[in-house]
Amino acid sequence: DTGVSQDPRHKITKRGQNVTFRCDPISEHNRLYWYRQTLGQGPEFLTYFQNEAQLEKSRLLSDRFSAERPKGSFSTLEIQRTEQGDSAMYLCASSVGASYGYTFGSGTRLTVV
Amino acid sequence: KNEVEQSPQNLTAQEGEFITINCSYSVGISALHWLQQHPGGGIVSLFMLSSGKKKHGRLIATINIQEKHSSLHITASHPRDSAVYICAVDGGATNKLIFGTGTLLAVQP
Repeated sequence: DTGVSQDPRHKITKRGQNVTFRCDPISEHNRLYWYRQTLGQGPEFLTYFQNEAQLEKSRLLSDRFSAERPKGSFSTLEIQRTEQGDSAMYLCASSVGASYGYTFGSGTRLTVV
Repeated sequence: KNEVEQSPQNLTAQEGEFITINCSYSVGISALHWLQQHPGGGIVSLFMLSSGKKKHGRLIATINIQEKHSSLHITASHPRDSAVYICAVDGGATNKLIFGTGTLLAVQP
């Protein structure tokens, strides 16, 4: 197992287009998190899955954002009708439980032009 | 006021210097994390603390639960230590980490 994988690493898209990102967590990790990080800031929480259940969503996750984890393994984050303000690094992390720490992916950097 | 505050925001040091980065938080926590982020984005976990002190190589992390304060120390700093160091707290029941804004460290040879 090579850790948490995110794909793509970079995405440039035109305003108004839809984009989808994928996260493959460590296989035995039942908890999966999405965070968003803008330039010069720390990451901000977007959403959290335990297995396939989405248990918490941030107010940052507007109606244009949707996340899924259909079989409790990989997860996708989709942004519809992208806006320039969506430009950020989208980070995925996984865990077997808070007491055991978190493993982060390398992130997907989105640029909306 | 942010729930997690770090200082300084930027730090430049000469190779070999002893470095301290501070983190204060205002919420109840089950654990505090120190993370390292290099250009390109990937985040690496350095320490997870719930009390006392931990050491790994040239890195030392301490936490004072009563004062709601933690410090990350780097001894004998090296240019390869140049990165963003981020403090994050885990509230346990909140199912998420709350991050500080990070400290950008540049160690010059």
